[in-house]
Amino acid sequence: RKEVEQDPGPFNVPEGATVAFNCTYSNSASQSFFWYRQDCRKEPKLLMSVYSSGNEDGRFTAQLNRASQYISLLIRDSKLSDSATYLCVVNKGGSYIPTFGRGTSLIVHP
Amino acid sequence: DTGVSQDPRHKITKRGQNVTFRCDPISEHNRLYWYRQTLGQGPEFLTYFQNEAQLEKSRLLSDRFSAERPKGSFSTLEIQRTEQGDSAMYLCASSLSPGGQGWDTEAFFGQGTRLTVV
Repeated sequence: RKEVEQDPGPFNVPEGATVAFNCTYSNSASQSFFWYRQDCRKEPKLLMSVYSSGNEDGRFTAQLNRASQYISLLIRDSKLSDSATYLCVVNKGGSYIPTFGRGTSLIVHP
Repeated sequence: DTGVSQDPRHKITKRGQNVTFRCDPISEHNRLYWYRQTLGQGPEFLTYFQNEAQLEKSRLLSDRFSAERPKGSFSTLEIQRTEQGDSAMYLCASSLSPGGQGWDTEAFFGQGTRLTVV
């Protein structure tokens, strides 16, 4: 089983739609969680950190479920510019190595 | 520009040649990471440094790969006797992390070096 698993998609949604991605992780000792965004042929960039209490940044909401070992990202009112690959990142407990999922591709169409 | 910079951005080499990539992290960052990314996959961890110490290496890092960070600032990644399977994007990232255990902070990435082995 991979350490961090994501559905690669692609998720094809119309503008204005709400879309959610999940990511599961295998190491129950993991302590830090992030969502990164990667545009085609560009470097990954931090979208948001994921806190135990959940957090929201504008149209984006991230949640952590430690019992089930998954994190989620919800995007409301999708924009064309949200089209990208969304990478789930988990730092293992006791390790400072950010471990990436393979990413979920989102395509927002008019 | 005070972000992470990588050089070169693109490298085409013949199979069997050696290549070296450079990464300059954000200046105050103590941790530096190397990743490899192929099409349709997320970045795969190769190795990381805390200051000048190389603390962990992935099993992906064969003996043809070596990385250094001699003064705890810039880092180099060398691939000897390149193979076609080495073709990928090589990404460098850095972070500023507190000592001891606890939450880690985000890693900032450079734009990567795209290696093509022909």
